[in-house]
Amino acid sequence: NAGVTQTPKFQVLKTGQSMTLQCAQDMNHEYMSWYRQDPGMGLRLIHYSVGAGITDQGEVPNGYNVSRSTTEDFPLRLLSAAPSQTSVYFCASSYLTYGSDTQYFGPGTRLTVL
Amino acid sequence: AQKVTQAQTEISVVEKEDVTLDCVYETRDTTYYLFWYKQPPSGELVFLIRRNSFDEQNEISGRYSWNFQKSTSSFNFTITASQVVDSAVYFCALSEQSDSWGKLQFGAGTQVVVTP
Repeated sequence: NAGVTQTPKFQVLKTGQSMTLQCAQDMNHEYMSWYRQDPGMGLRLIHYSVGAGITDQGEVPNGYNVSRSTTEDFPLRLLSAAPSQTSVYFCASSYLTYGSDTQYFGPGTRLTVL
Repeated sequence: AQKVTQAQTEISVVEKEDVTLDCVYETRDTTYYLFWYKQPPSGELVFLIRRNSFDEQNEISGRYSWNFQKSTSSFNFTITASQVVDSAVYFCALSEQSDSWGKLQFGAGTQVVVTP
């Protein structure tokens, strides 16, 4: 199993540009989520999904869109990048079954918005 | 309000010393889960341990041990006989049954520096 994969690893954008961060998992996990990590603040939940076709907002959803058309993929879209979105983004996935619902994280995407 | 507090910003130790990381959480749920994750300099997040609110039994796993005390809302983590490879940022996290399923609320993290 490749686990949770994320692309790209690094990205630099100009203010106003759009882009999609890719996340995929091959463990047939129902639950997938996106977090951002900022210095001194730990990780904060952006959006999450409990299955294909079902998404919901987390703590800091503004400026981001998600969709879940398959179990495996959960892309995160930045519609109009802003410097405040400079961060490290992590995707995570897990089963929904109690006891098997520990979340495992991808390697992260470091995004800089100029 | 911050639900998970890691008051220690950075801890520096010499190899073979023990390191204890403090974590204090806040919740009104009776069912919740607590986690420790490790983030080495390479940047990935590595799952270490998970406990649920009904299990206060403290355990040891290799050089790792944890002390879960509901009475003080604390979930402390100890690395015994630290090694240079333990240098990393350690995050404590809380997941509440009443909140969005699977939502992890992280503390700010504690940087551990182990020198030879």
